[in-house]
Amino acid sequence: KNEVEQSPQNLTAQEGEFITINCSYSVGISALHWLQQHPGGGIVSLFMLSSGKKKHGRLIATINIQEKHSSLHITASHPRDSAVYICAVRGTYKYIFGTGTRLKVLA
Amino acid sequence: DVKVTQSSRYLVKRTGEKVFLECVQDMDHENMFWYRQDPGLGLRLIYFSYDVKMKEKGDIPEGYSVSREKKERFSLILESASTNQTSMYLCASSLSVEAFFGQGTRLTVV
Repeated sequence: KNEVEQSPQNLTAQEGEFITINCSYSVGISALHWLQQHPGGGIVSLFMLSSGKKKHGRLIATINIQEKHSSLHITASHPRDSAVYICAVRGTYKYIFGTGTRLKVLA
Repeated sequence: DVKVTQSSRYLVKRTGEKVFLECVQDMDHENMFWYRQDPGLGLRLIYFSYDVKMKEKGDIPEGYSVSREKKERFSLILESASTNQTSMYLCASSLSVEAFFGQGTRLTVV
């Protein structure tokens, strides 16, 4: 079993829909990241969380430390949100990554 | 803005060639990482370095080596490239908890 599990693996949505991507982990962490990877490969960090909730524009990330679970929400989704979203947890020295959620938003 | 720069976006090399992937960061970060990314497997740690001339094996170091002669530069070396090293390679750097990623190098070994 992977130490970081994401769901769903693939997601297709219509423009305007509310989207939720989930991440569960089984190890102790100092922080959790949500990353976005567009076609072509470059990765951008969207959020770093150690507790509670963060919001940036249409993106909201939450984390429940007791349940070892985080969610990334996208409100009013848009085709430009189409990307791979990756959950990563920070242990002592290194990061452990989920396999990513491929999101496609249709116009 | 922190910048992590990888020297090439796309690279095609022949089997048996020695390949150098370079990564430079401009924020004086101590920690630097090399990952490879493969479909269905996510990002896997190859090597990391927490200081100049210091290196630690990650989860999949076989077939790779690294060099960190200066703080800003972390090089990944494929001594003799093989087709199973065809992958996307990503470099990252961090000072403490937050990581910053490069744009990735898509390496094809033919």
